[in-house]
Parts: sequence; C-alpha cells; structure tokens
Amino acid sequence: GAGVSQSPSNKVTEKGKDVELRCDPISGHTALYWYRQRLGQGLEFLIYFQGNSAPDKSGLPSDRFSAERTGESVSTLTIQRTQQEDSAVYLCASSLAAGGRWETQYFGPGTRLLVL
Amino acid sequence: ILNVEQSPQSLHVQEGDSTNFTCSFPSSNFYALHWYRWETAKSPEALFVMTLNGDEKKKGRISATLNTKEGYSYLYIKGSQPEDSATYLCAFLNAGNMLTFGGGTRLMVKP
Repeated sequence: GAGVSQSPSNKVTEKGKDVELRCDPISGHTALYWYRQRLGQGLEFLIYFQGNSAPDKSGLPSDRFSAERTGESVSTLTIQRTQQEDSAVYLCASSLAAGGRWETQYFGPGTRLLVL
Repeated sequence: ILNVEQSPQSLHVQEGDSTNFTCSFPSSNFYALHWYRWETAKSPEALFVMTLNGDEKKKGRISATLNTKEGYSYLYIKGSQPEDSATYLCAFLNAGNMLTFGGGTRLMVKP
C-alpha cells in the first residue's frame, strides 16, 4: 500500500511569511508524529496525534507553530511568521496505534523548508 | 529531556570492512529501542525494534544487540557495502510512546 506522503517536498519562503506543510499518513494508522531536523542536529519531536485524544504539543518550539489533524487522516503543520532558524527538514511519521512498545513508525520523505 | 547519544558521529570505512556503532540511552523507564536507517533524500527506514534486555536482532548483514540495564545498544554491519552508506539513527521509546532520537551515526562506505 501507499506509504506516508508529504507535500510540498521543498519550500522556500521569505522571513515573516506563513507556511503550511501537509502529511498524509498510511491509511489505518491512528498515531501521527511530526519531527524536524535542523542542519547538523538530530531529529527533534514536535507534536503527536493519537486518534481523537488531545495532541501532545510538548515539542512545539514556539507559539508560531501549530498543527491540526482531521480525524485519523491528513495533518497540517503551520508555521507563522517564519524565521531563518525554522529552516529544517520536517518529517511526518505514522504508526498503527500508540501503546505498543514494538510499533514501528513509518516516515514520509519530508519537506525541506528554507527560510531566506 | 532524555539523553540519547550515538557514537561515533561519522564513520568512513572501506568496502568489505565490518563496523559497529553505539547508542546510549537512559536505563530507567525503558520501553523499546528503535534503529532506523536514513539514506540521503529518502525517508528513515525502520531496521529493528528491540524490547528485551539481551535481545539480538539480525537483518542480512546488519545486526543489533541491546543492554537495557546499562543503557546501550550496538549496531553491527558485516562486510560493509557502498549501499550501506546512510545515517543510522537510534531512538529510545518511553512510556508515552515518544521516540527520542540520537544524533545519528553517518556511515560512508568507500568502494
């Protein structure tokens, strides 16, 4: 079946503009995660959705970042008033369900964001 | 903040060499340890999920061991090939099903 897809694959924007990144998880996956990797750094957790539960937003770096998920499908990550330090690869991952210690997360190809 | 460290940060080996690298993680509240392989311009790909102390997993020429009591996992690649060139990420899974990733080991295999 289809894997996790993300769009756009690349985005160049000017400082101060808003951007919206999209993630389509694998069908049937109830858990969805957003991560980012800034240049030279490791993967950084941003936000986690599980079914209809309130999302875990503990990884969002500032109030300029927000994310939504429609049911158990598409998620969008919005960055308002982008800053140069927001430049990173933004990765989305999904998994079947939370709570299983051996569940694998399946990653999308990422969106490469460059803020000029 | 959970501390997951990987060493070395980068590694250059010749084709045919065997190699290994380390992932260190908190030894308390352990749930699972994931290994991922991330090739440039591709998505991270799951290699192993390890849950029990003493676990050993193998996939082709790649294998991994787990020591939860001392908080480390080793990833071994036997007879490295150029196609093994990638960043190898480990991730510590805690009770909230959150993965905390290490910084990765970037492996480059020269033909």
